Parts: sequence; structure tokens; C-alpha cells
Amino acid sequence: EVQLVESGGGLIQPGGSLRLSCAASGFTVSSDYMNWVRQAPGKGLEWVSTIYSSGSTYYADSVKGRFTISRDNSKNTLYLHMNSLRAEDTAVYYCARGNLGCDYWGQGTLVTVSS
Amino acid sequence: IQLTQSPSSLSASVGDRVTITCRASQGIGNYLVWYQQKPGKAPKLLTHVASTLQSGVPSRFSGSGSGTDFTLTISSLQPEDFATYYCQQLNSYPLTFGGGTKVEIK
Repeated sequence: EVQLVESGGGLIQPGGSLRLSCAASGFTVSSDYMNWVRQAPGKGLEWVSTIYSSGSTYYADSVKGRFTISRDNSKNTLYLHMNSLRAEDTAVYYCARGNLGCDYWGQGTLVTVSS
Repeated sequence: IQLTQSPSSLSASVGDRVTITCRASQGIGNYLVWYQQKPGKAPKLLTHVASTLQSGVPSRFSGSGSGTDFTLTISSLQPEDFATYYCQQLNSYPLTFGGGTKVEIK
């Protein structure tokens, strides 16, 4: 059974850094396209980043240069390294699998950027 | 690529036929997918590219369109279908979502 479990969210001050993790089971992260999608409180969905099985990465303009997507094949885990966090980065962050539509999603982890 | 969904919300009754529209700011072929999201839950994939229904999704849901104009149709609205629906384009980066359509009970 495919499962994705995010962790690492929390309250962080503006300018701070955080690393989100997404532990996968039931499939191999390195063999698939993996994504991060976020949702600010009461708002719609926003695509954040994608990593291909080849290792190619893509980012939304709003996070480019501040966020880095990566994976640890030995742990079958996806990461999102977030630096220079801003209030507008406050959101639930979801990891999701897929390239022709995300067919599996985690439960989400809340990141709150506030002083 | 901007995606404009309409309406942003609608009220409907059980059994109604519901149509949601998603318009792209430029042609995206058939690289558009639809999701359903219920409060406090992760989105659920309804259709993937080429309007193909995702496995396990009831056949009352259907997607259509290509180029710039797309629709999601629910042929007979059921109580479990009250949710927010999003389109997403997968044609080019940055990937984008529509603003969402909230389907409420009349």
C-alpha cells in the first residue's frame, strides 16, 4: 500500500529555516516524480516544487532560491529544505506522487511563520 | 500559465448535474487534471491527463476539453460530492492550479 507521511512542520520566525520530510512506503521515491504542494489557511492549492526520477528539479517563482527539494534514496524519503522563510510561506505543505496528476498525497504538515 | 475556474462557488441539490469550467491563459493540449478536496483533507485526483478517470473514481465524474477550455461534469450530484474542486495544468513549469470551485448544498 502506498503511503506518504510528512513531518517537520511547526512555528518558525521570519528569516528562519526548516526542513520538511516525507517518508514514503509502498513504492520507491527515486523511481517516481515527487512534488510539494502547499495551501495557505483558507486559500487554494499552490504548487511548490517537483523532482523527477532523473533528479531534475523545478520550483515556483515564489520559492526559487529559498527552497530546495531533495530525496534520500536509502531512506525512501523526500525533503523540502526551506530557508529565509516569510509570513507568506505559512501553509499546510503536502508531498504528493505523480507526474500526470498526483495520485497519492500525504496528510500534510503545517508550517507557521510568525514572530 | 493562468487557470481561471468558474464559478468560484455554486449551490446545488442532490441529483443535479453540475459543470465546472477551467480556462487556461494559453493552450495546454490535454495536460489538465482535476482534484476534489474536502475540508481538512488532502486533495484527491479525479481525472488525470487526457481527461482519463482515475481508478476508483465514480463514473458520474467526467472531464473533457483540450487547448484552453476544460470542464468537469458531475452527472448526478451525490451527498459525498460536496467539496472544493481544483484544476491543475501539467503542460509547463511552473505548474499552476485554478482558484477552486466550492460546491455547496442548496
